[in-house]
Amino acid sequence: GQNIDQPTEMTATEGAIVQINCTYQTSGFNGLFWYQQHAGEAPTFLSYNVLDGLEEKGRFSSFLSRSKGYSYLLLKELQMKDSASYLCAVIDSNYQLIWGAGTKLIIKP
Amino acid sequence: DTGVSQNPRHKITKRGQNVTFRCDPISEHNRLYWYRQTLGQGPEFLTYFQNEAQLEKSRLLSDRFSAERPKGSFSTLEIQRTEQGDSAMYLCASSLFLAGEVDTQYFGPGTRLTVL
Repeated sequence: GQNIDQPTEMTATEGAIVQINCTYQTSGFNGLFWYQQHAGEAPTFLSYNVLDGLEEKGRFSSFLSRSKGYSYLLLKELQMKDSASYLCAVIDSNYQLIWGAGTKLIIKP
Repeated sequence: DTGVSQNPRHKITKRGQNVTFRCDPISEHNRLYWYRQTLGQGPEFLTYFQNEAQLEKSRLLSDRFSAERPKGSFSTLEIQRTEQGDSAMYLCASSLFLAGEVDTQYFGPGTRLTVL
C-alpha cells in the first residue's frame, strides 16, 4: 500500500525554528510537494523537491532524501501567521498525488 | 482575481437530495482535479480532467458522484442522493500540465457540504 506519515501536531514558539518530518512508502517516486493549509482554507503550494538535497525559499526550506523515503520542511523565524497545517504529498509511479494527513503547527507567543 | 474559484462556498442539504458544485480553474490551465477533505485528513482524490477528458476516477468513488468538464474550462461535481457521510470540504485544483515539467496544483477555496 501507499503510505505517508507526518506527525499529527507540533507546537513551537514565535521566532524559533521548527522541522516537520514526512516519511513515505509509495509505488515509485516522481517528486514531493509541501503545501500549507490554514484552517477552513484551501492548501497553498510551498515547495517541490525531486532531487536529493535542500531547497531554500525565504524562511521556508524543504529537504529530500529519496534513498530514505524522507523529507522535512524547515520553518525559520516563526511568525504567528505560520500557525496552519502542513501537508506532504508524493507523486507516485502513476503520477498520482498521494497526500499525507498533514501536521497541525501551533505557534505560541 | 485570476485564481481558482468555487461555488457555492457552503451548502447545507437534507439527506437524499442532489447537489452540484462548480469550479472555475485558472484560465489556460488544462488539468482540473476534484478532491474531498475531512477534518484532520489530507485531500482525498476523486477525479481529474485533462481538457474535457476525464482521465481518472477514484475506485473509492461511489456511482452517486459524477463530474463533467464539457468545454475544457469550468467543471461541475454532482452528488446524487446525498448521505451524511458525504459531509466534507470539496476542493478543486487546476494545473498547467506540460510534459517533463512539474505539475503544480493550485487550489480553490473549496465548497463545504453539510448533509443533515
